[in-house]
Amino acid sequence: AQKITQTQPGMFVQEKEAVTLDCTYDTSDPSYGLFWYKQPSSGEMIFLIYQGSYDQQNATEGRYSLNFQKARKSANLVISASQLGDSAMYFCAMRDDLYTGGFKTIFGAGTRLFVKA
Amino acid sequence: GAGVSQSPRYKVAKRGQDVALRCDPISGHVSLFWYQQALGQGPEFLTYFQNEAQLDKSGLPSDRFFAERPEGSVSTLKIQRTQQEDSAVYLCASSLVRGIQETQYFGPGTRLLVL
Repeated sequence: AQKITQTQPGMFVQEKEAVTLDCTYDTSDPSYGLFWYKQPSSGEMIFLIYQGSYDQQNATEGRYSLNFQKARKSANLVISASQLGDSAMYFCAMRDDLYTGGFKTIFGAGTRLFVKA
Repeated sequence: GAGVSQSPRYKVAKRGQDVALRCDPISGHVSLFWYQQALGQGPEFLTYFQNEAQLDKSGLPSDRFFAERPEGSVSTLKIQRTQQEDSAVYLCASSLVRGIQETQYFGPGTRLLVL
């Protein structure tokens, strides 16, 4: 069955330092996509980065990079040079059955990141 | 604005009342999703539309929940005979299908409180 696990309920990081948010997933489908979203206190979910199961390279988007380890079924988010505005809830998500038309996206429980000045 | 909009932003209902939540997706987006997010948790999938067709409603928790998108744009999520456990934030998302990477753009959500 599909499952997303985020084991860190909360994380602290010093401003300008890098931080890694953990995510492991479980699926039996070979084709799937992994997503990270940021949810600030305003409530809106903001898309950060995407990694496809067949992508050969780790995805990067500005200060965000995804450390994709397929054999371990992990998709950790790395935020470099943390900023105060990065303080938010972060969700890892997965959608599988991509080639067979699956539509359901499942989300983890989230990690709350606190950036300290 | 060009983003996904939802209305109302906040809704207080008495137990047993019916409520209707509206979602205006980004113009031209084919896919539309509804999610329920309980306090302190991640969003839970409710239903999916491709244009006007509801292709997946497996996440709707009971037959009190009903969603429609009659013209393939605006969608309404209706909850009949609301219960306290329906209290949550209801998120709508839309996407312009681009092959495998279907990036969903979320609205601000409707916070529903059932008393």
